[in-house]
Amino acid sequence: QKEVEQDPGPLSVPEGAIVSLNCTYSNSAFQYFMWYRQYSRKGPELLMYTYSSGNKEDGRFTAQVDKSSKYISLFIRDSQPSDSATYLCAMSPQEQAGTALIFGKGTTLSVSS
Amino acid sequence: NAGVTQTPKFRILKIGQSMTLQCTQDMNHNYMYWYRQDPGMGLKLIYYSVGAGITDKGEVPNGYNVSRSTTEDFPLRLELAAPSQTSVYFCASSYGRGSKNIQYFGAGTRLSVL
Repeated sequence: QKEVEQDPGPLSVPEGAIVSLNCTYSNSAFQYFMWYRQYSRKGPELLMYTYSSGNKEDGRFTAQVDKSSKYISLFIRDSQPSDSATYLCAMSPQEQAGTALIFGKGTTLSVSS
Repeated sequence: NAGVTQTPKFRILKIGQSMTLQCTQDMNHNYMYWYRQDPGMGLKLIYYSVGAGITDKGEVPNGYNVSRSTTEDFPLRLELAAPSQTSVYFCASSYGRGSKNIQYFGAGTRLSVL
């Protein structure tokens, strides 16, 4: 079993739809969870950052972490064509457990107008 | 506000040639990283550094070398280019590990080895 699993998609939705992107993981040591957005031919940019379990909201984006299920989600409300990108989940253990930031392979999202 | 800067943006190499991918950050981050990204394969860590003079191997270090003489710079060296090294290379930096391990990425170097 890979350490982080992410459905690669592609995922195609109409403008205004609610999008749900998900990752599962196997390492219970992960404490910090991130979502990166990567536009075509660009570098990944940080979109959301959460610590441990719970929800975090930023505008149209909501990140959820369920550590008991080892499952994280990113919700996009009122999706826009500008949200079309690849979304990568990433996670990191506590400081003493090393430097690794483990990435999912990314989900490609296309929002049509 | 430059962040992480990578040069060149694109490069075509012949098999056996060598080159250095440059990476500079202006955020005073201690940690720096090199990744490669192949289609459908996600980001794979090549090398990383926790400070000037300290480097360590990541998941896929074969065929690459790094050095870190200053906090700002972390060049990646390809000595004998092979077609398997055709990829997009990203440099990243962060303050540290754990809660400080939010990594900031450069725009990437797209490399083709023919």
